[in-house]
Amino acid sequence: QVQLQESGPGLVKSSETLSLTCTVSGGSVSSYSWSWIRQPPGKGLEWIGYILSGGITNSNPSLKSRVTVSLVTSKNQVSLKLTSVTAADTAAYYCARHVASGSHYWFDPWGQGNLVIVSS
Amino acid sequence: DIQMTQSPSSLSASIGDRVTITCRASQTISNYLNWYQQKPGKAPTVVIYAASTLQSGVPSRFSGSGSGTDFTLTISSLQPEDFATYYCHQGYSMSPISFGQGTRLDIK
Repeated sequence: QVQLQESGPGLVKSSETLSLTCTVSGGSVSSYSWSWIRQPPGKGLEWIGYILSGGITNSNPSLKSRVTVSLVTSKNQVSLKLTSVTAADTAAYYCARHVASGSHYWFDPWGQGNLVIVSS
Repeated sequence: DIQMTQSPSSLSASIGDRVTITCRASQTISNYLNWYQQKPGKAPTVVIYAASTLQSGVPSRFSGSGSGTDFTLTISSLQPEDFATYYCHQGYSMSPISFGQGTRLDIK
């Protein structure tokens, strides 16, 4: 059973880079596709970016130039870097595995989330 | 981009009620629609995928239907553990991936 655990700083200063990792247990990070999804306090879900099992990456156009999603295979981790953060980037950040059946996919499981507050 | 619109945004209901939540896509997405449940302070969990397939372990009082642009999530008889926020997610386009804004279901 695959389990996910996000980790990283809970506080980041404005204009700096937010770096989070998602440690995968119960499966190989290279065998699946992964997304990062965030949720500002009291608000809805926003997709940030993904890395597919073949290595293709993509990110939300609203964030695209600031986002890097990558794998750290030696540590069985998925990494997220978000540059030039502002208060608008304050959110709980989740990693989630893509599960596929035929041409359908959905997110399962999700990590427990890592709340990041951007301070000035 | 595919926009997902849920209605209502919030809903109050009683134990035993039948509840329906709607999700509408801005363009046709066939049956590429998933539903998630999120309880306060917790990560979302999938309830329904491919519009109508119940995730393993999810009670049969949950059901999903729809195709094209209009979809529904129905809970046939609300239980205390069902009070949560529900999100739809379109799995048709991955550029970008999009969610509905959420429907908060609370106790009347």
